[in-house]
Amino acid sequence: DIQMTQSPSTLSASVGDRVTITCRASQSLSIWLAWYQQKPGKAPKLLIYKASTLESGVPSRFSGSGYGTEFTLTISSLQPDDFATYYCQQYSTYPYTFGQGTKLEIK
Amino acid sequence: QVQLVQSGGEVKKPGASVKVSCKASGYTFATYGISWVRQAPGQGLELMGWVSAYNGNTNYAQNLQGRVTMTTDTSTTTAYMELRGLRSDDTAVYYCARVIPPADQGNYFYGMDVWGQGTTVTVSS
Repeated sequence: DIQMTQSPSTLSASVGDRVTITCRASQSLSIWLAWYQQKPGKAPKLLIYKASTLESGVPSRFSGSGYGTEFTLTISSLQPDDFATYYCQQYSTYPYTFGQGTKLEIK
Repeated sequence: QVQLVQSGGEVKKPGASVKVSCKASGYTFATYGISWVRQAPGQGLELMGWVSAYNGNTNYAQNLQGRVTMTTDTSTTTAYMELRGLRSDDTAVYYCARVIPPADQGNYFYGMDVWGQGTTVTVSS
């Protein structure tokens, strides 16, 4: 199985900060990666797919980049609503695995 | 609007079975696949598999093969996930989610764009 490793596991930041979350894969994914946001007690929400395609309705402050084994999710200016846990998911090779999550906390 | 509404929480004894439903509305049901994702308490996400509402084809996680069955009923636009031989480590919130892209764009998996509200399944003696 492809192992997905996110860093950091926890990130403390302030409203207005620019933050970046990294996701590394144990083998090449090409562009086959998605990012999700999850808030406590809620279902995940799709943010990005095919590494950099913004899902409809997702604010433009979210962006994704990367290819192969290293990918990033960037939030250009943190808003109060963005404090949540973020997961990457690869869908290059079955089983489609998730990273362990990055919890974005208010500093 | 597009939505998926899941059945209510369940409490089961070890060895029992559970069947969770996921009622879709607001889109052409047969055009998309439905996946099932579970999340154990305080843990991350695990994709259990998905089923095509277009042709009924399924893909299951290897660790659940033989215990899980995913089906769809296009007449009621409802998807189902049945898990048998329940164990304590099956205790989790179970989510259904719509798979993109639609089937007319090819048999691909780009992600899951609409999610149900989740169903808590507790396995306890």
